[in-house]
Amino acid sequence: EAGVAQSPRYKIIEKRQSVAFWCNPISGHATLYWYQQILGQGPKLLIQFQNNGVVDDSQLPKDRFSAERLKGVDSTLKIQPAKLEDSAVYLCASSPAGLGNEQFFGPGTRLTVL
Amino acid sequence: GDSVTQMEGPVTLSEEAFLTINCTYTATGYPSLFWYVQYPGEGLQLLLKATKADDKGSNKGFEATYRKETTSFHLEKGSVQVSDSAVYFCALSDPYSSASKIIFGSGTRLSIRP
Repeated sequence: EAGVAQSPRYKIIEKRQSVAFWCNPISGHATLYWYQQILGQGPKLLIQFQNNGVVDDSQLPKDRFSAERLKGVDSTLKIQPAKLEDSAVYLCASSPAGLGNEQFFGPGTRLTVL
Repeated sequence: GDSVTQMEGPVTLSEEAFLTINCTYTATGYPSLFWYVQYPGEGLQLLLKATKADDKGSNKGFEATYRKETTSFHLEKGSVQVSDSAVYFCALSDPYSSASKIIFGSGTRLSIRP
């Protein structure tokens, strides 16, 4: 079974530029999560989708971050414009529908903002 | 709100030493508790979990017991190997929430000397 795929694996941009990350969850997983992991910290949830609807985006900085999950499968996370403090690893995870199911994580995208 | 506190790293041990990584949590309900591991260059993986008080999660020689009275979920291994070198995250989730997000601790980096 293929795992969660993410691309790109690494991205370097200048501040005020835009960037987008892509995630393809495990086939059949209804729930998709985006986490931000700043160096030396644990991952922090940015947004959670159930199929193509948003369940929780309370910690998403909506003035610069946006995310979508078209057709309830793939998802993209965008930052526009980027700030220095956005430098982090962005993790995508997916899980089957239902409460308490295990989340499976992708390898992450390491973003460096200069 | 719910939170997880784990011992700061890095932790450096010799091969075959006994390992303990402390983790305590704060939660209003009865969370599920997890240990995730992140090997160098890889994504987060679930190591073990416990869903109710006094449950013991175990995997790959690691164990952790859900202690409600001390709100703790300490990770232990009797004899560590070089291959256990990784970052370990304690985490919790409210299994009865409609948004079953995971709250992570800050991580503990473990290095094992041959």
